[in-house]
Amino acid sequence: NAGVTQTPKFRILKIGQSMTLQCAQDMNHNYMYWYRQDPGMGLKLIYYSVGAGITDKGEVPNGYNVSRSTTEYFPLRLELAAPSQTSVYFCASREGTAETQYFGPGTRLLVL
Amino acid sequence: GQSLEQPSEVTAVEGAIVQINCTYQTSGFYGLSWYQQHDGGAPTFLSYNALDGLEETGRFSSFLSRSDSYGYLLLQELQMKDSASYFCAVRGGSNYQLIWGAGTKLIIKP
Repeated sequence: NAGVTQTPKFRILKIGQSMTLQCAQDMNHNYMYWYRQDPGMGLKLIYYSVGAGITDKGEVPNGYNVSRSTTEYFPLRLELAAPSQTSVYFCASREGTAETQYFGPGTRLLVL
Repeated sequence: GQSLEQPSEVTAVEGAIVQINCTYQTSGFYGLSWYQQHDGGAPTFLSYNALDGLEETGRFSSFLSRSDSYGYLLLQELQMKDSASYFCAVRGGSNYQLIWGAGTKLIIKP
């Protein structure tokens, strides 16, 4: 049982490039989340999904897109990377009836 | 707007007790969660309070007062491994989303 996995661990992007952050969970959780965490700050919700085929915007969705074609995978797409997107990105999942969110190890992204 | 306030930093001595406070202002309220995050790591769940009162889990306890929009995390018998950031988070107006505080860095001195 791997829990929540994220790839890559670290990436450097040039301004204007695009990339996809991968997230997978093997716990059959319906709810999945993408957060970003800037240094010394709390987590900001980017997008979330309550099940396959259903996604919705969080607090800071601009510049990002998501898809959820299966229960297991919830990729986050960055289009036209900007320095303001330099951050640590966490994916998390939650079983519908429980409170605990399980987090992946994070992806550290640097946009130069 | 919706906001959570917690102290940015707390210092305590190994073996002592420390309390980390959290006040919240949200459009709705389902419950208050606490997460621990070590430097360079991912947040891990500690506790959840939906009703007023104290919840105890080993050395950690969490308290909630809904009428005061206030909660706290109590850590007893502090160990050096407890050095981390602690976040409160509220499940507020949306049943699906958490709103997070900025975190409290706990520094433990020997």
